[in-house]
Amino acid sequence: DVKVTQSSRYLVKRTGEKVFLECVQDMDHENMFWYRQDPGLGLRLIYFSYDVKMKEKGDIPEGYSVSREKKERFSLILESASTNQTSMYLCASRYQGPGANVLTFGAGSRLTVL
Amino acid sequence: AQKITQTQPGMFVQEKEAVTLDCTYDTSDPSYGLFWYKQPSSGEMIFLIYQGSYDQQNATEGRYSLNFQKARKSANLVISASQLGDSAMYFCAMREGLSGSARQLTFGSGTQLTVLP
Repeated sequence: DVKVTQSSRYLVKRTGEKVFLECVQDMDHENMFWYRQDPGLGLRLIYFSYDVKMKEKGDIPEGYSVSREKKERFSLILESASTNQTSMYLCASRYQGPGANVLTFGAGSRLTVL
Repeated sequence: AQKITQTQPGMFVQEKEAVTLDCTYDTSDPSYGLFWYKQPSSGEMIFLIYQGSYDQQNATEGRYSLNFQKARKSANLVISASQLGDSAMYFCAMREGLSGSARQLTFGSGTQLTVLP
């Protein structure tokens, strides 16, 4: 089974801190995604990467950046954390080829910014 | 405009009964895929079922079936014989474009299903 691992399950940070959320997948998937989940809003796409060193903005990229230097790793960076970035962050990966292209998700990282 | 709409924030169903979770979508792309995911209280997202826009038959996976009505742009999830373990948040999602294209998935706001004993 594909495994998507997010480095931290729970984080507590202070306003203004730089925050790194790491995501690693072990099945050589081309595409990787970062979503943010908030009650009543579902999942909203922050950034995605369709291959190494490639990235595209999603629906809510403001305040975030990403890095994909290796195929298996996709990092989400909050340059200066703010309280409105308190949320659950979900990483996902996907094979890009024929078929359903199901997203496989990590367990999530719950970030609290004080 | 919302691309994926789930109008039921919360639903209750009696154990062993069937339940339908609604999902409507909006796209002008003739090629798209529709997905349903389950998120239990533990937080992990579990893929349930997939329907391609060109699929002639409704998708089924065990107790899950997708009632795909293309003209109405609806993709309702039907869970038969509900179990207590079905209590979870359910998300409908859509990928526009052909499978294999690097297109994002757009999610609805979710429906919280509670199965009553």
